[in-house]
Amino acid sequence: EPEVTQTPSHQVTQMGQEVILRCVPISNHLYFYWYRQILGQKVEFLVSFYNNEISEKSEIFDDQFSVERPDGSNFTLKIRSTKLEDSAMYFCASRGVRGYTGELFFGEGSRLTVL
Amino acid sequence: SQQGEEDPQALSIQEGENATMNCSYKTSINNLQWYRQNSGRGLVHLILIRSNEREKHSGRLRVTLDTSKKSSSLLITASRAADTASYFCATDRGGSYIPTFGRGTSLIVHP
Repeated sequence: EPEVTQTPSHQVTQMGQEVILRCVPISNHLYFYWYRQILGQKVEFLVSFYNNEISEKSEIFDDQFSVERPDGSNFTLKIRSTKLEDSAMYFCASRGVRGYTGELFFGEGSRLTVL
Repeated sequence: SQQGEEDPQALSIQEGENATMNCSYKTSINNLQWYRQNSGRGLVHLILIRSNEREKHSGRLRVTLDTSKKSSSLLITASRAADTASYFCATDRGGSYIPTFGRGTSLIVHP
């Protein structure tokens, strides 16, 4: 069964460092998302991406964040200068078989720890 | 806020019992979805109900939607220890189809 894959599963970084989280969405999907979940808290929307551009973003997704789909398969989230409060589980999701109203398919997440 | 809010925050039951979780939201929606998350894992889609539907079934899951009360419920019948997980509702608002999640209900099913 097709699945969304994310790497790395866990990354530890120092405050101020750049981090890139990678995702391979399901191959025939067209809509891509990043969410994050701080430990024990709600799942928060960061950004959505369609047709090679950001379609919507939340207040969390400030200038420190960027997304890219460099090669038609990978979908990356970059945090330019990490802060302690960026420590969270980051989930990639994709959607497309039933269009933009259908269910999301999530990856297993990348746990980011900022020291 | 558009997000759904689940209630209760935590639920502990015995195997074989039914589990009911509720979700309330604030503004009109296109659809409402329920997801499950095992500890430390990704979210898995369970069921989607559209704003013009009132009830939907999938196996041991039953979802209802009352748009007049802006609420939904998820019923898991004959629960099993393997149902232990967090359950989230996700709603999207009229002009945006971005699912927005609540804080979830943590369900523990004791064998």
